[in-house]
Amino acid sequence: AQSVSQHNHHVILSEAASLELGCNYSYGGTVNLFWYVQYPGQHLQLLLKYFSGDPLVKGIKGFEAEFIKSKFSFNLRKPSVQWSDTAEYFCAVRSVSGTYKYIFGTGTRLKVLA
Amino acid sequence: GAGVSQSPSNKVTEKGKDVELRCDPISGHTALYWYRQSLGQGLEFLIYFQGNSAPDKSGLPSDRFSAERTGGSVSTLTIQRTQQEDSAVYLCASSLGQPGSLGIEQFFGPGTRLTVL
Repeated sequence: AQSVSQHNHHVILSEAASLELGCNYSYGGTVNLFWYVQYPGQHLQLLLKYFSGDPLVKGIKGFEAEFIKSKFSFNLRKPSVQWSDTAEYFCAVRSVSGTYKYIFGTGTRLKVLA
Repeated sequence: GAGVSQSPSNKVTEKGKDVELRCDPISGHTALYWYRQSLGQGLEFLIYFQGNSAPDKSGLPSDRFSAERTGGSVSTLTIQRTQQEDSAVYLCASSLGQPGSLGIEQFFGPGTRLTVL
């Protein structure tokens, strides 16, 4: 069965620190990959997605992620975080074949100290 | 344009009662998804609709859970004989449901917070 692992459940950083959130998935076939963010009191919204092509994907608000197929990873990065990045981040995978359902990780709560 | 809407936003019910949760997807979105979000558990897939049919119901936790979608639009998630472990936030998402990069992006609603006493 497909699964997504986010190893960091809680991360605390100071402003201007660099961020990397880990995401690993288990699925042998072709996948699409996503990072979603949920700011306090708001809906889940898409940060970025990997569909095909260039494995380095850039999203909104300065976030990027790199798909490394050999490692089944899709880590999220930001060179310099801001207080406003405080949120919960979810990694998700969708198989390109089958029933197209999305599997989400358990999320990482990021707190950025001003 | 209007996003995904869900109602009610909050629902408190007594154990054993039935509840209905509603989702209005974005107009024109053929794919609709239900998830359950519990504290520390991430998003648990429940069911997926393409149009009015449900190709994947594998995530429904028990036969107390059912969902339907009519007219390729509104969906209702019904939980019968609610139990305390059903307490969670129930999220709905929709997408274009078409091949291609734009078609796979899910748009989420605000969720329904269900509390079973």
